[in-house]
Amino acid sequence: EVQLVESGGGLVKPGGSPRLSCAASGFTFSDAWMSWVRQAPGKGLEWVGRIKSKTDGGTTDYAAPVKGRFTISRDDSKNTLYLQMNSLKTEDTAVYYCTTHLIMQDHFDCWGQGTLVTVSS
Amino acid sequence: EIVLTQSPGTLSLSPGERATLSCRASQIVSSSFLAWYQQRPGQAPRLLIDGASSRATGIPDRFSGSGSGTDFTLTITRLEPEDFAVYYCQQYGSSPPYTFGQGTKLEIK
Repeated sequence: EVQLVESGGGLVKPGGSPRLSCAASGFTFSDAWMSWVRQAPGKGLEWVGRIKSKTDGGTTDYAAPVKGRFTISRDDSKNTLYLQMNSLKTEDTAVYYCTTHLIMQDHFDCWGQGTLVTVSS
Repeated sequence: EIVLTQSPGTLSLSPGERATLSCRASQIVSSSFLAWYQQRPGQAPRLLIDGASSRATGIPDRFSGSGSGTDFTLTITRLEPEDFAVYYCQQYGSSPPYTFGQGTKLEIK
């Protein structure tokens, strides 16, 4: 069974730099493309960024609102995905979900339970 | 950027009724790249449909997807109590690769 467990959320001041983690199990993590998707309180879903498998180049792509501030990385030896968030703004307040692209790259197969990041002074 | 517009914003129906949810794209979307998700209150989203019409593993056959081009539909026949939730469509394209609709809330009448 696929499991994705996010951690690292909490209350952060504007300008802060938390790092979120996503521990993955139940599938071959090193083969998987992974994405982060976020959801502001009471709002819809917004894709944040994606990292390809190292076999496919390990490259990353980001949504415009976070490009240059957020960095996605992976440690295949630990089956863990990361989201380094820098220069946080109040509008980054959201639940951050770790998601997989196991079968095809075009949709999100599995989701973690999410971790809430609140940016406030 | 392809914008997805879902309608209606809120749909009020009774258990046992049929629900029809719409997702309209601002540009043509490949049918292979249109997905639907269900999000129950307090839970993470889960994949229902990919490729516009293929049910994900474990999804009951009362859920079906259809459509092509710019107009896509999620149909739920014989609504069960657990089906009352928010539904999102999502497309895969380029720059940015993934966009979501704003969601349709399916509520009990």
